[in-house]
Amino acid sequence: EADIYQTPRYLVIGTGKKITLECSQTMGHDKMYWYQQDPGMELHLIHYSYGVNSTEKGDLSSESTVSRIRTEHFPLTLESARPSHTSQYLCASSARQGGGTEAFFGQGTRLTVV
Amino acid sequence: DQQVKQNSPSLSVQEGRISILNCDYTNSMFDYFLWYKKYPAEGPTFLISISSIKDKNEDGRFTVFLNKSAKHLSLHIVPSQPGDSAVYFCAAIGSGSARQLTFGSGTQLTVLP
Repeated sequence: EADIYQTPRYLVIGTGKKITLECSQTMGHDKMYWYQQDPGMELHLIHYSYGVNSTEKGDLSSESTVSRIRTEHFPLTLESARPSHTSQYLCASSARQGGGTEAFFGQGTRLTVV
Repeated sequence: DQQVKQNSPSLSVQEGRISILNCDYTNSMFDYFLWYKKYPAEGPTFLISISSIKDKNEDGRFTVFLNKSAKHLSLHIVPSQPGDSAVYFCAAIGSGSARQLTFGSGTQLTVLP
């Protein structure tokens, strides 16, 4: 069973609030990812990290930011939430730089901005 | 431009029959392919994978086939069960321009009892 955790599972928050979505893994994985998914749509990569102090933006432009100060922790922050940020956010991690191993996902955070 | 494509958004199959889910990719730098299953409001769970050095990988009821020349892979589920009803995502990863895990848009599989 994968040891990657996301909190909170569900969040309803008002416009303009600052929020941080937490993601932690205990597997010692180097690579971590954040995906955004709307219902019935594909998973869009918004951020990824190859290791501590390494972060890059993904294919989908996002107003969120991430940090990777510790291997096990990859939080995502929205400075000022808007209704357009309403979506499901999925965090994942994998062991190696290249292929050869699967990525494990957390349970996801369903964010609703009202 | 989508590098991993699942052209069928949905598929319905009778219980006990075979389910075949298809996936195409464009980036020749992909060398490892994965299938994930996802229920609503949950994170995707890994099902099966295949390296580009193989053309088939089997795990119980699940078999993945890879046709590198056609840049095509498929997931076969035999026999299909109602509990298999979920969204199935194809994903790919490699090196260079393909070093991020890239997902297709998913196929909703419904297995009818």
